[in-house]
Amino acid sequence: DAKTTQPNSMESNEEEPVHLPCNHSTISGTDYIHWYRQLPSQGPEYVIHGLTSNVNNRMASLAIAEDRKSSTLILHRATLRDAAVYYCILRVSGGGADGLTFGKGTHLIIQP
Amino acid sequence: GAVVSQHPSRVICKSGTSVKIECRSLDFQATTMFWYRQFPKKSLMLMATSNEGSKATYEQGVEKDKFLINHASLTLSTLTVTSAHPEDSSFYICSASGTFSDTGELFFGEGSRLTVL
Repeated sequence: DAKTTQPNSMESNEEEPVHLPCNHSTISGTDYIHWYRQLPSQGPEYVIHGLTSNVNNRMASLAIAEDRKSSTLILHRATLRDAAVYYCILRVSGGGADGLTFGKGTHLIIQP
Repeated sequence: GAVVSQHPSRVICKSGTSVKIECRSLDFQATTMFWYRQFPKKSLMLMATSNEGSKATYEQGVEKDKFLINHASLTLSTLTVTSAHPEDSSFYICSASGTFSDTGELFFGEGSRLTVL
């Protein structure tokens, strides 16, 4: 899997939007951009994924740069329950046979 | 979304004993299951990949004789830590993928925390 770069940690206030950046300058044309998050003492949880266009779901939005070399996960209104480590991972199309390669992720801290 | 369940969630054992951790896909058939290990304040490390009915593929540096993986059915994979020692204490997490997502979305279990005394 191609490498991604994320800030080690970010801090935000409750009920405010959060923008989590991810750089993936070596992304290939068949790589999907996946985001997972891991709450304390739990397994990772799928958040969202996209290929080229921006994506929205009930959890978050994913904004993908036009050149696809970076992306931003957007939590529109953070709650204390969103405090977690967020991982940005590139995954080839149809990559179901390969495990995910986790980087260090971004530790998101939410202040009440 | 699809549900993956692990059991037990916590286990404490004495050094030298073996421990089995189960991973089940509850509402889908998991053609491939993965086992990860996570040490405190570290990221997840892939240990092995298992496909139903075939031998697991282990990542470099993971001892296959110590971490026995069985994927006997499309809904169950087991990880057995044999002759466990304190350095094997870790958070073990399984994940599974099915045939329904061609983008390779994975679903993870809740994790199993192993403490070896």
